[in-house]
Amino acid sequence: GENVEQHPSTLSVQEGDSAVIKCTYSDSASNYFPWYKQELGKGPQLIIDIRSNVGEKKDQRIAVTLNKTAKHFSLHITETQPEDSAVYFCAASKGDNYGQNFVFGPGTRLSVLP
Amino acid sequence: EADIYQTPRYLVIGTGKKITLECSQTMGHDKMYWYQQDPGMELHLIHYSYGVNSTEKGDLSSESTVSRIRTEHFPLTLESARPSHTSQYLCASSEPIGPDTQYFGPGTRLTVL
Repeated sequence: GENVEQHPSTLSVQEGDSAVIKCTYSDSASNYFPWYKQELGKGPQLIIDIRSNVGEKKDQRIAVTLNKTAKHFSLHITETQPEDSAVYFCAASKGDNYGQNFVFGPGTRLSVLP
Repeated sequence: EADIYQTPRYLVIGTGKKITLECSQTMGHDKMYWYQQDPGMELHLIHYSYGVNSTEKGDLSSESTVSRIRTEHFPLTLESARPSHTSQYLCASSEPIGPDTQYFGPGTRLTVL
């Protein structure tokens, strides 16, 4: 089955700096890779996702890159702000088949220091 | 903002009590999920459903049970709560095909004394 690893487990950056979180997956059939942000006391919320037919996707300060050959994908946050502080989860899924579930990474706790 | 709701948000209960955690979504999604989130943050799938009258066990074994009588409702029940059941429980839903995005509720934090 799928296994997703995520690094680092904790990350502290100064406000305005960039943050990068990396994930690797094991199942080459996985084709959908979402990223979720979980703030304290809330459920995870989707912030960006990428499919295997795309190498990079960007949404304002957030970007995700995917390397299918190496089976890893990364989240990049530029110009970090204190409100970016949260736990971030990557996930992998064989999203085209009914009944396929996500496998989540263990999470990264990001702290943006003012 | 996703239309998925969980009640209660916080529950403190004594050992041996029966509890039901409620989850409802108004998006008409067929597929729904229950995750248990441990203090180390990891999300563990404990139950999921493809639609009405469908329930499946997830990757993590759980003493809880679920039911799916209506599309919008996916309650989770513990017949006899124990301290080991103390955790955060997250409900999610997704469309059956297509982007497969999962939308999460706010969670229920359960404490069993």
